[in-house]
Amino acid sequence: DQQVKQNSPSLSVQEGRISILNCDYTNSMFDYFLWYKKYPAEGPTFLISISSIKDKNEDGRFTVFLNKSAKHLSLHIVPSQPGDSAVYFCAGHIIQGAQKLVFGQGTRLTINP
Amino acid sequence: DAGITQSPRHKVTETGTPVTLRCHQTENHRYMYWYRQDPGHGLRLIHYSYGVKDTDKGEVSDGYSVSRSKTEDFLLTLESATSSQTSVYFCATARDTGAFFGQGTRLTVV
Repeated sequence: DQQVKQNSPSLSVQEGRISILNCDYTNSMFDYFLWYKKYPAEGPTFLISISSIKDKNEDGRFTVFLNKSAKHLSLHIVPSQPGDSAVYFCAGHIIQGAQKLVFGQGTRLTINP
Repeated sequence: DAGITQSPRHKVTETGTPVTLRCHQTENHRYMYWYRQDPGHGLRLIHYSYGVKDTDKGEVSDGYSVSRSKTEDFLLTLESATSSQTSVYFCATARDTGAFFGQGTRLTVV
């Protein structure tokens, strides 16, 4: 039962353009959705989150959109920079009880010069 | 990053041997997790803890056990390592604003 899905294993974008990473979920109980960025040989690092009661959250070049009716969220990076090349994970977070995070499979983003 | 330290960072072990991975945190977070990362699967939850001596299974718990005798330490044990447990293991702690990860342990079972 894959509660959080990232259907694109990889994405290649030109430097300066917009990168859009997508994520779908099935569990309506998530309180927050989070995006993590991971470089090789490092642990995932938190990037941005959105509450389930919001539809947009913006932080600098990063914006996350949440469409609850479609159970879909997306991360927009604009403009894309070479340092954005990494694997991106989306996660659903239930803050009650054990506060479990459920992760998607990840999308490898490559920014081309 | 919640001061999370994993040890060892790399380990090669033989099939059938027991292995213990350690996670140490300095932020006094109540919740701690062990994940494994494998290509095509993302991060999958192995076990988690919601307090000292309070642990529960995640989605891929078979072959693993955990212990938490102190708030700051969460141990993951492979009772008898198998090749399918070759992976990168991440420890994490959480509060209501998200989770924070250690740098990972690369385990190879030969």
